[in-house]
Amino acid sequence: DTAVSQTPKYLVTQMGNDKSIKCEQNLGHDTMYWYKQDSKKFLKIMFSYNNKELIINETVPNRFSPKSPDKAHLNLHINSLELGDSAVYFCASSQGDGRNQPQHFGDGTRLSIL
Amino acid sequence: GQNIDQPTEMTATEGAIVQINCTYQTSGFNGLFWYQQHAGEAPTFLSYNVLDGLEEKGRFSSFLSRSKGYSYLLLKELQMKDSASYLCAGYNFNKFYFGSGTKLNVKP
Repeated sequence: DTAVSQTPKYLVTQMGNDKSIKCEQNLGHDTMYWYKQDSKKFLKIMFSYNNKELIINETVPNRFSPKSPDKAHLNLHINSLELGDSAVYFCASSQGDGRNQPQHFGDGTRLSIL
Repeated sequence: GQNIDQPTEMTATEGAIVQINCTYQTSGFNGLFWYQQHAGEAPTFLSYNVLDGLEEKGRFSSFLSRSKGYSYLLLKELQMKDSASYLCAGYNFNKFYFGSGTKLNVKP
């Protein structure tokens, strides 16, 4: 009965590869998010998405693209992986547009680039 | 994070009270959240303040002053399990920002 689940939990791959991380929420929430947490533990939003709007953090390289097959899923696809992409990626969801609702986080995907 | 500042690290003793401060730029912010994140785990929601004043939830309380761009999280009767990072966060215009987090070390 996990609320927000993301897979895989660990991802080790080589530079230049393309990979995807999947996220699913069973809370009936309207908005989903992707965050990157680097080695300094700074949590930075990458995307927020609901059925009306995709908001992209302009600092995110266009190698990163969110894909939402339906309201309960927001996957993250990464092209041409670079060493600097090594981090923990968190998926989250919230009710409404999220402005005044708490976000529920998945357990994170630990991405390591060799 | 952009527009949000909080101390990097604090240490307190088990059983004591600790206050973790957060300051932010007032224009564009719509309420302030506090999250707790244990090492190696996901952030979990603690509190949300949209109006000025103190919100109490058991051992944890959160305060907001919108005119001053200031919030704090108050933890009472500290327990060892409260050792974690505490992040304040909020929407600034159309984007959601987290502070860099305050790592709280609780010692016996």
